[in-house]
Amino acid sequence: AQSVTQPDIHITVSEGASLELRCNYSYGATPYLFWYVQSPGQGLQLLLKYFSGDTLVQGIKGFEAEFKRSQSSFNLRKPSVHWSDAAEYFCAVGGTTGNQFYFGTGTSLTVIP
Amino acid sequence: DAGVIQSPRHEVTEMGQEVTLRCKPISGHNSLFWYRQTMMRGLELLIYFNNNVPIDDSGMPEDRFSAKMPNASFSTLKIQPSEPRDSAVYFCASSFLGVFSGNTIYFGEGSWLTVV
Repeated sequence: AQSVTQPDIHITVSEGASLELRCNYSYGATPYLFWYVQSPGQGLQLLLKYFSGDTLVQGIKGFEAEFKRSQSSFNLRKPSVHWSDAAEYFCAVGGTTGNQFYFGTGTSLTVIP
Repeated sequence: DAGVIQSPRHEVTEMGQEVTLRCKPISGHNSLFWYRQTMMRGLELLIYFNNNVPIDDSGMPEDRFSAKMPNASFSTLKIQPSEPRDSAVYFCASSFLGVFSGNTIYFGEGSWLTVV
Protein backbone atom coordinates (compact mmCIF):
# COMPACT_ATOMS: atom_id res chain seq x y z
CA ALA A 1 0.00 0.00 0.00
CA GLN A 2 1.11 3.52 -0.70
CA SER A 3 1.95 5.61 2.32
CA VAL A 4 4.02 8.53 3.46
CA THR A 5 5.66 8.83 6.86
CA GLN A 6 6.94 12.02 8.39
CA PRO A 7 8.52 10.81 11.63
CA ASP A 8 8.96 14.24 13.19
CA ILE A 9 5.74 15.82 14.37
CA HIS A 10 7.40 19.01 15.51
CA ILE A 11 10.86 20.50 15.03
CA THR A 12 12.37 23.64 16.55
CA VAL A 13 15.41 25.30 15.02
CA SER A 14 17.21 28.55 15.57
CA GLU A 15 17.10 31.19 12.90
CA GLY A 16 20.11 30.79 10.63
CA ALA A 17 20.56 27.13 11.45
CA SER A 18 20.24 24.38 8.89
CA LEU A 19 17.09 22.32 8.56
CA GLU A 20 16.26 18.81 7.48
CA LEU A 21 12.74 17.42 7.49
CA ARG A 22 12.39 13.71 6.99
CA CYS A 23 10.02 11.90 4.69
CA ASN A 24 9.80 8.20 3.96
CA TYR A 25 7.42 6.64 1.49
CA SER A 26 6.14 3.24 0.60
CA TYR A 27 5.33 2.69 -3.03
CA GLY A 28 5.68 -0.20 -5.42
CA ALA A 29 7.00 1.75 -8.39
CA THR A 30 8.84 4.97 -9.03
CA PRO A 31 6.91 7.59 -7.15
CA TYR A 32 6.28 11.21 -7.85
CA LEU A 33 7.26 13.09 -4.69
CA PHE A 34 6.24 16.48 -3.44
CA TRP A 35 6.79 18.85 -0.56
CA TYR A 36 4.14 21.40 0.35
CA VAL A 37 4.21 24.16 2.96
CA GLN A 38 1.22 25.49 4.84
CA SER A 39 1.49 28.75 6.71
CA PRO A 40 -1.06 29.45 9.46
CA GLY A 41 -4.46 30.20 7.98
CA GLN A 42 -3.29 29.50 4.47
CA GLY A 43 -3.60 26.78 1.88
CA LEU A 44 -0.89 24.37 0.81
CA GLN A 45 1.82 25.80 -1.41
CA LEU A 46 4.05 23.60 -3.51
CA LEU A 47 7.71 23.88 -2.51
CA LEU A 48 9.20 21.38 -4.93
CA LYS A 49 8.58 18.12 -6.72
CA TYR A 50 10.50 15.14 -8.05
CA PHE A 51 9.35 13.28 -11.11
CA SER A 52 12.53 11.87 -12.62
CA GLY A 53 16.12 12.73 -13.45
CA ASP A 54 18.41 14.49 -11.03
CA THR A 55 17.68 13.20 -7.56
CA LEU A 56 18.47 16.55 -5.98
CA VAL A 57 15.69 18.99 -6.72
CA GLN A 58 15.58 22.67 -6.02
CA GLY A 59 12.47 24.45 -4.92
CA ILE A 60 11.23 27.85 -3.95
CA LYS A 61 12.34 29.81 -0.89
CA GLY A 62 15.78 28.21 -0.90
CA PHE A 63 14.57 24.67 -0.19
CA GLU A 64 15.92 21.52 -1.76
CA ALA A 65 15.14 17.83 -1.43
CA GLU A 66 16.98 14.67 -2.31
CA PHE A 67 15.34 11.49 -3.55
CA LYS A 68 17.09 8.38 -2.27
CA ARG A 69 15.52 5.29 -3.75
CA SER A 70 17.56 2.90 -1.62
CA GLN A 71 16.23 4.53 1.53
CA SER A 72 12.74 5.31 0.22
CA SER A 73 13.29 8.83 1.41
CA PHE A 74 12.73 12.34 0.14
CA ASN A 75 14.10 14.64 2.84
CA LEU A 76 13.67 18.39 2.66
CA ARG A 77 16.61 20.65 3.47
CA LYS A 78 17.44 24.30 3.82
CA PRO A 79 20.93 25.56 4.71
CA SER A 80 19.80 28.60 6.70
CA VAL A 81 16.33 28.92 8.14
CA HIS A 82 14.49 32.24 8.31
CA TRP A 83 11.81 33.13 10.83
CA SER A 84 9.29 33.23 7.99
CA ASP A 85 9.86 29.52 7.37
CA ALA A 86 7.83 28.65 10.47
CA ALA A 87 4.95 26.61 9.08
CA GLU A 88 3.60 23.11 8.61
CA TYR A 89 5.39 21.00 6.00
CA PHE A 90 3.76 18.11 4.18
CA CYS A 91 5.41 15.43 2.13
CA ALA A 92 3.25 13.71 -0.49
CA VAL A 93 3.58 10.86 -2.94
CA GLY A 94 1.72 10.24 -6.16
CA GLY A 95 2.06 7.33 -8.51
CA THR A 96 1.55 6.55 -12.15
CA THR A 97 -1.42 4.26 -11.76
CA GLY A 98 -3.66 6.03 -9.32
CA ASN A 99 -5.29 9.39 -9.08
CA GLN A 100 -4.69 10.09 -5.46
CA PHE A 101 -2.09 11.92 -3.53
CA TYR A 102 -0.96 10.39 -0.26
CA PHE A 103 0.02 13.00 2.28
CA GLY A 104 2.16 12.60 5.32
CA THR A 105 0.84 13.83 8.64
CA GLY A 106 3.00 16.91 8.49
CA THR A 107 5.90 18.37 10.44
CA SER A 108 5.39 21.60 12.32
CA LEU A 109 8.44 23.87 12.21
CA THR A 110 9.11 26.49 14.87
CA VAL A 111 11.92 28.99 14.33
CA ILE A 112 13.38 30.68 17.38
CA PRO A 113 15.45 33.88 17.30
CA ASP B 1 -2.58 33.60 -13.22
CA ALA B 2 -5.49 32.95 -10.91
CA GLY B 3 -5.10 29.95 -8.69
CA VAL B 4 -7.82 27.75 -7.28
CA ILE B 5 -10.52 30.01 -5.89
CA GLN B 6 -12.69 28.96 -2.99
CA SER B 7 -15.62 30.61 -1.28
CA PRO B 8 -16.53 31.36 1.37
CA ARG B 9 -13.19 31.68 3.14
CA HIS B 10 -14.85 31.49 6.53
CA GLU B 11 -18.28 30.31 7.56
CA VAL B 12 -19.92 29.88 10.92
CA THR B 13 -23.24 28.09 10.89
CA GLU B 14 -25.62 26.45 13.30
CA MET B 15 -25.99 22.73 13.56
CA GLY B 16 -28.62 21.43 11.16
CA GLN B 17 -28.10 24.15 8.58
CA GLU B 18 -27.05 23.47 5.02
CA VAL B 19 -23.54 24.50 4.05
CA THR B 20 -22.37 24.95 0.47
CA LEU B 21 -18.71 25.42 -0.35
CA ARG B 22 -17.68 26.56 -3.80
CA CYS B 23 -14.62 26.09 -5.92
CA LYS B 24 -13.29 27.39 -9.20
CA PRO B 25 -10.34 25.31 -10.42
CA ILE B 26 -7.43 26.61 -12.41
CA SER B 27 -8.42 27.13 -16.01
CA GLY B 28 -7.38 24.19 -18.18
CA HIS B 29 -7.18 21.74 -15.33
CA ASN B 30 -9.37 18.70 -15.73
CA SER B 31 -9.04 17.11 -12.30
CA LEU B 32 -10.55 18.50 -9.13
CA PHE B 33 -10.17 17.33 -5.56
CA TRP B 34 -11.96 18.15 -2.32
CA TYR B 35 -9.94 17.63 0.86
CA ARG B 36 -10.79 18.09 4.51
CA GLN B 37 -8.19 19.02 7.11
CA THR B 38 -8.59 18.57 10.86
CA MET B 39 -6.15 18.37 13.71
CA MET B 40 -7.18 14.83 14.49
CA ARG B 41 -7.20 13.32 11.01
CA GLY B 42 -4.92 15.55 9.01
CA LEU B 43 -5.62 15.88 5.28
CA GLU B 44 -8.32 13.58 3.95
CA LEU B 45 -9.36 13.23 0.33
CA LEU B 46 -13.12 13.43 0.17
CA ILE B 47 -13.80 13.16 -3.55
CA TYR B 48 -11.99 13.42 -6.86
CA PHE B 49 -13.40 14.47 -10.24
CA ASN B 50 -11.87 13.92 -13.64
CA ASN B 51 -13.42 15.74 -16.59
CA ASN B 52 -16.33 16.72 -14.34
CA VAL B 53 -17.10 13.08 -13.48
CA PRO B 54 -16.71 11.82 -9.92
CA ILE B 55 -14.07 9.10 -9.99
CA ASP B 56 -13.53 8.32 -6.35
CA ASP B 57 -15.89 9.42 -3.58
CA SER B 58 -14.86 6.81 -1.05
CA GLY B 59 -13.65 9.52 1.28
CA MET B 60 -17.00 11.23 1.59
CA PRO B 61 -17.83 10.60 5.25
CA GLU B 62 -21.56 10.02 4.95
CA ASP B 63 -24.70 10.81 3.02
CA ARG B 64 -24.86 14.27 4.50
CA PHE B 65 -21.99 15.18 2.18
CA SER B 66 -22.45 15.62 -1.54
CA ALA B 67 -20.32 17.13 -4.28
CA LYS B 68 -21.06 18.23 -7.79
CA MET B 69 -19.12 19.51 -10.74
CA PRO B 70 -21.60 20.80 -13.33
CA ASN B 71 -18.87 22.15 -15.58
CA ALA B 72 -15.12 22.40 -15.87
CA SER B 73 -14.92 25.67 -14.00
CA PHE B 74 -17.11 25.10 -10.96
CA SER B 75 -17.65 22.61 -8.17
CA THR B 76 -19.60 22.56 -4.95
CA LEU B 77 -19.36 20.58 -1.74
CA LYS B 78 -22.57 20.51 0.25
CA ILE B 79 -23.20 19.40 3.79
CA GLN B 80 -26.82 18.92 4.77
CA PRO B 81 -27.53 18.88 7.65
CA SER B 82 -24.30 20.13 9.16
CA GLU B 83 -23.00 18.88 12.52
CA PRO B 84 -20.35 20.27 14.89
CA ARG B 85 -17.98 17.43 13.95
CA ASP B 86 -17.95 18.78 10.40
CA SER B 87 -15.96 21.77 11.61
CA ALA B 88 -12.75 21.73 9.60
CA VAL B 89 -10.89 23.40 6.79
CA TYR B 90 -12.09 22.25 3.40
CA PHE B 91 -9.64 22.55 0.54
CA CYS B 92 -10.34 22.39 -3.12
CA ALA B 93 -7.45 21.50 -5.41
CA SER B 94 -7.00 21.02 -9.11
CA SER B 95 -4.58 19.38 -11.49
CA PHE B 96 -4.10 18.73 -15.18
CA LEU B 97 -4.63 15.09 -16.25
CA GLY B 98 -4.55 13.88 -12.68
CA VAL B 99 -1.84 12.67 -10.40
CA PHE B 100 -1.24 9.46 -12.29
CA SER B 101 0.58 11.39 -14.97
CA GLY B 102 2.78 13.03 -12.42
CA ASN B 103 1.18 16.43 -12.61
CA THR B 104 1.00 18.62 -9.59
CA ILE B 105 -2.02 19.36 -7.45
CA TYR B 106 -2.61 23.03 -6.69
CA PHE B 107 -4.58 23.99 -3.64
CA GLY B 108 -6.97 26.81 -2.89
CA GLU B 109 -6.78 28.86 0.27
CA GLY B 110 -9.42 26.75 1.97
CA SER B 111 -12.87 27.28 3.43
CA TRP B 112 -12.78 27.42 7.23
CA LEU B 113 -16.05 25.95 8.50
CA THR B 114 -17.29 26.15 12.07
CA VAL B 115 -20.55 24.45 12.99
CA VAL B 116 -21.91 25.46 16.38
